[in-house]
Amino acid sequence: GAVVSQHPSWVICKSGTSVKIECRSLDFQATTMFWYRQFPKQSLMLMATSNEGSKATYEQGVEKDKFLINHASLTLSTLTVTSAHPEDSSFYICSARSTSTGELFFGEGSRLTVL
Amino acid sequence: GENVEQHPSTLSVQEGDSAVIKCTYSDSASNYFPWYKQELGKRPQLIIDIRSNVGEKKDQRIAVTLNKTAKHFSLHITETQPEDSAVYFCAASKEAAGNKLTFGGGTRVLVKP
Repeated sequence: GAVVSQHPSWVICKSGTSVKIECRSLDFQATTMFWYRQFPKQSLMLMATSNEGSKATYEQGVEKDKFLINHASLTLSTLTVTSAHPEDSSFYICSARSTSTGELFFGEGSRLTVL
Repeated sequence: GENVEQHPSTLSVQEGDSAVIKCTYSDSASNYFPWYKQELGKRPQLIIDIRSNVGEKKDQRIAVTLNKTAKHFSLHITETQPEDSAVYFCAASKEAAGNKLTFGGGTRVLVKP
């Protein structure tokens, strides 16, 4: 089946630094990717919709200057957490929508810990 | 926007018994309802889905029912096994809107051997 790869799978950083997380569709093209955030024992909350070649669409309450999204190609979207703080610590998961079939596939998630 | 409510939040069943999880949604335009299973620290895995043009779908021990009028859908797992223990999420979306999923709060299922 189709594979979506996220990198890194886990990262620890100091407060104030920026962290970039990559989401790649390995064997299909994805015009649209989604970024979710999941706190421990909670549901997945949609942060933004990433569209190839255009600006991301952010959900209400999500700071676009804090969470920078770039979808530069049909197989790669990146989420950059800028000036990270401990409250940004979370599990970030992407999903990619196959351009040809419309199916959604999830990445394995990236666990961010900000000290 | 869409709001999805899921119940119960936790469910403990004896191995071999059935488990039922219920979800309601608010947006009558939603037409795609997937169910995901997520193990600790792992990605959500699609286990079954249903579209609004059908009322029921079954895949071996798993079935989903949809009541569009009442705007609720349910997941049924029969003959539960310990490996069914996980967190289950329902979701709703409008396929024409690119499948932007709104998730329910999740149900932690524990199957006791």
